[in-house]
Amino acid sequence: GEDVEQSLFLSVREGDSSVINCTYTDSSSTYLYWYKQEPGAGLQLLTYIFSNMDMKQDQRLTVLLNKKDKHLSLRIADTQTGDSAIYFCAEVNAGNMLTFGGGTRLMVKP
Amino acid sequence: KAGVTQTPRYLIKTRGQQVTLSCSPISGHRSVSWYQQTPGQGLQFLFEYFSETQRNKGNFPGRFSGRQFSNSRSEMNVSTLELGDSALYLCASSLGTQNQPQHFGDGTRLSIL
Repeated sequence: GEDVEQSLFLSVREGDSSVINCTYTDSSSTYLYWYKQEPGAGLQLLTYIFSNMDMKQDQRLTVLLNKKDKHLSLRIADTQTGDSAIYFCAEVNAGNMLTFGGGTRLMVKP
Repeated sequence: KAGVTQTPRYLIKTRGQQVTLSCSPISGHRSVSWYQQTPGQGLQFLFEYFSETQRNKGNFPGRFSGRQFSNSRSEMNVSTLELGDSALYLCASSLGTQNQPQHFGDGTRLSIL
């Protein structure tokens, strides 16, 4: 079956790097996604990685994928207070259905 | 390019009533998916529509239904509302071909009294 897990909470200081981790179980997942949700809003697509890649960098965001361990991480460099939000990782199955983790609440302290 | 638009943003209903939510996808997107978000269950897939046909369905009772129009706009209907249906309902659109990223609207928050 499919299951995606994330830690619940992460607190960092402004300017530090944040690393949000995710594990998934469906080895057939071809793409893995990171979404950001701010209070009262929907999900904003941050970045995604194809399963045959190990790393993807997009400005302050770096995604690392360890396919052997089914582990995905999102690193945010120079974290700002505006990065405070809930971050969801998600995998997609052959049916184009997203399966989400429970979300990690990132709190950035000034 | 306009994003995914969901209307209304907020709804208050009572038990036993029915409700219809609307979603307008990004121009050119042919797939529309619906998700339910609750504090207890997180984000759960309801169904996906592509070219006016339901292509995938999650594990929700038959009270939850949807449809898609020829312009790709989609509606979701929930009948005989229960207290547990209180949630944020999110719509996502994509091009619809394999592994195209899904883009979400801001959701409709449904409260059942």
